[in-house]
Amino acid sequence: AQSVTQPDIHITVSEGASLELRCNYSYGATPYLFWYVQSPGQGLQLLLKYFSGDTLVQGIKGFEAEFKRSQSSFNLRKPSVHWSDAAEYFCAVGARGGNKLVFGAGTILRVKS
Amino acid sequence: EAGVAQSPRYKIIEKRQSVAFWCNPISGHATLYWYQQILGQGPKLLIQFQNNGVVDDSQLPKDRFSAERLKGVDSTLKIQPAKLEDSAVYLCASSATGSTEAFFGQGTRLTVV
Repeated sequence: AQSVTQPDIHITVSEGASLELRCNYSYGATPYLFWYVQSPGQGLQLLLKYFSGDTLVQGIKGFEAEFKRSQSSFNLRKPSVHWSDAAEYFCAVGARGGNKLVFGAGTILRVKS
Repeated sequence: EAGVAQSPRYKIIEKRQSVAFWCNPISGHATLYWYQQILGQGPKLLIQFQNNGVVDDSQLPKDRFSAERLKGVDSTLKIQPAKLEDSAVYLCASSATGSTEAFFGQGTRLTVV
């Protein structure tokens, strides 16, 4: 069965500092991997996705993520965080050939000025 | 392009009452999903439609939850009777045929008291 673990429930970083949010997945084959962001009272917005090819993927808002098959990880990074990045971030895994997504529990990002 | 529309945004009901949520997906999207997001958890798929047929409802509590997608466009999700543990945000999402990218609505926040 597919599963996603986001080890950090909360993370606080200073504005301008770098960010890395961790994501580990469990899946029997090569999955589709996603990062979504959710601002308070809003739906989920797709930041980036990995299907195949280059293991470093670029997304919107300056985010990137790296797929590491050996570690079953898909960590999200941003070199310099802005106050507007404060939100909850979800990692998700999907099966090839299907659309169903399994989400992690999320990481709440706080940005301090 | 209009996004996924959901209504109502908020609903408060007493336990054992019934409630219904409505979703209008992005025009032309054949796949529609309902997710349940309990506070502190990631979204969990309740049901997936392809046009007006059910693809996956394995995690839908069928004794109290029902969903339909008439004419393959709009969808309604109903809970009858509601329990306290149904308090959550109910997210609707849609995707185009063959695409793994799902677009989410803002959700309906249900509080059962």
